[in-house]
Amino acid sequence: GDSVTQMEGPVTLSEEAFLTINCTYTATGYPSLFWYVQYPGEGLQLLLKATKADDKGSNKGFEATYRKETTSFHLEKGSVQVSDSAVYFCALSVGGTYKYIFGTGTRLKVLA
Amino acid sequence: DAGVIQSPRHEVTEMGQEVTLRCKPISGHNSLFWYRQTMMRGLELLIYFNNNVPIDDSGMPEDRFSAKMPNASFSTLKIQPSEPRDSAVYFCASKIAVYNEQFFGPGTRLTVL
Repeated sequence: GDSVTQMEGPVTLSEEAFLTINCTYTATGYPSLFWYVQYPGEGLQLLLKATKADDKGSNKGFEATYRKETTSFHLEKGSVQVSDSAVYFCALSVGGTYKYIFGTGTRLKVLA
Repeated sequence: DAGVIQSPRHEVTEMGQEVTLRCKPISGHNSLFWYRQTMMRGLELLIYFNNNVPIDDSGMPEDRFSAKMPNASFSTLKIQPSEPRDSAVYFCASKIAVYNEQFFGPGTRLTVL
């Protein structure tokens, strides 16, 4: 079945460090891929998305590239800030269906 | 745009009591989802409505859980009777069916003592 695997956290970084959160997936068909972010006490917010192979999603300095050959969608940011501290979820949606498959989430803590 | 609205934000109740969670989706969205989030199980889809009709309720844990969507602007998730293992954060999300992006509400944190 379809699934998403993301690296376990927590990830603790110093401010201005480089961030990578790994995400790999298995899916039948051609999924759309998403990164959602959840700040403390809030719901999930869409951070970025990519709908086909080689697409790059980007937002707020975060980037992820849809890699079909490695079935990956790793999240990166060149210089993290304390305000980026949150839980990050990788997710997929197989085209034409309503279901999202979410990863387990990766908690990021950025220290000043 | 007000976003997805959920109420209450926090609910503390005793085992055996009935609990009703409420959701107002974004105006114009015709798909609605209820999720449950726990540390142990992560984010689980409970039920999906399209055009107010329940399409997939396979994630509803047991008969104690029920959900309704009487109109396009309101949905409820009811637990009767509640149990301590129901303690979790419950999220409602909505979207326009033709687009993939789901918009989440702030969640209801339920504690069953």
